[in-house]
Amino acid sequence: AQRVTQPEKLLSVFKGAPVELKCNYSYSGSPELFWYVQYSRQRLQLLLRHISRESIKGFTADLNKGETSFHLKKPFAQEEDSAMYYCALRKVGCGYSSASKIIFGSGTRLSIRP
Amino acid sequence: NAGVTQTPKFQVLKTGQSMTLQCAQDMNHEYMSWYRQDPGMGLRLIHYSVGAGITDQGEVPNGYNVSRSTTEDFPLRLLSAAPSQTSVYFCASSYSNPGTSGFNEQFFGPGTRLTVL
Repeated sequence: AQRVTQPEKLLSVFKGAPVELKCNYSYSGSPELFWYVQYSRQRLQLLLRHISRESIKGFTADLNKGETSFHLKKPFAQEEDSAMYYCALRKVGCGYSSASKIIFGSGTRLSIRP
Repeated sequence: NAGVTQTPKFQVLKTGQSMTLQCAQDMNHEYMSWYRQDPGMGLRLIHYSVGAGITDQGEVPNGYNVSRSTTEDFPLRLLSAAPSQTSVYFCASSYSNPGTSGFNEQFFGPGTRLTVL
């Protein structure tokens, strides 16, 4: 069964320090992975996806199929990065209906200290 | 565009009552889904739909029903509310055609906070 694991419920770092939010997945197939963010009193929104290989707000994430990980990184944390971060996985292939199931991890609350 | 809208924003029910959480989107998205958000458990998929007339179960479907009679609407029905269904419910939608720009980016509604006494 597909599963997304975010081992840290809370991560607290100082402003300017590097940030790494961990995400591991289990899936026997070709996954599509995402990071979503929820700022205080705002809706969940897409931060980035692995197929785009993009950097959004200074964040990057590399898919490591060998380690089944998709960690989110930023070299220098900013106070506005404080939010709830969710890693998500979409099952690809094996029929139209099942291919669309998108599963989220339990989330990591990132707190940036001034 | 209003995006994804959900009603009501807040609801209190008594055990055994039934109700429907409404979700609508005006982006012509094929894919719609319902999640519940609980502390320490993140977002768990309840039901999802890949188009009008097609629905499927997610991780935690028990106690909930859905239907998709139109592309725009995807209501979630609680058949007989239980305290374990106290949660924040999010509806989301996205394009599901791989050839579409923005493919698979999920747009979320503002959520419905439900309390079952």
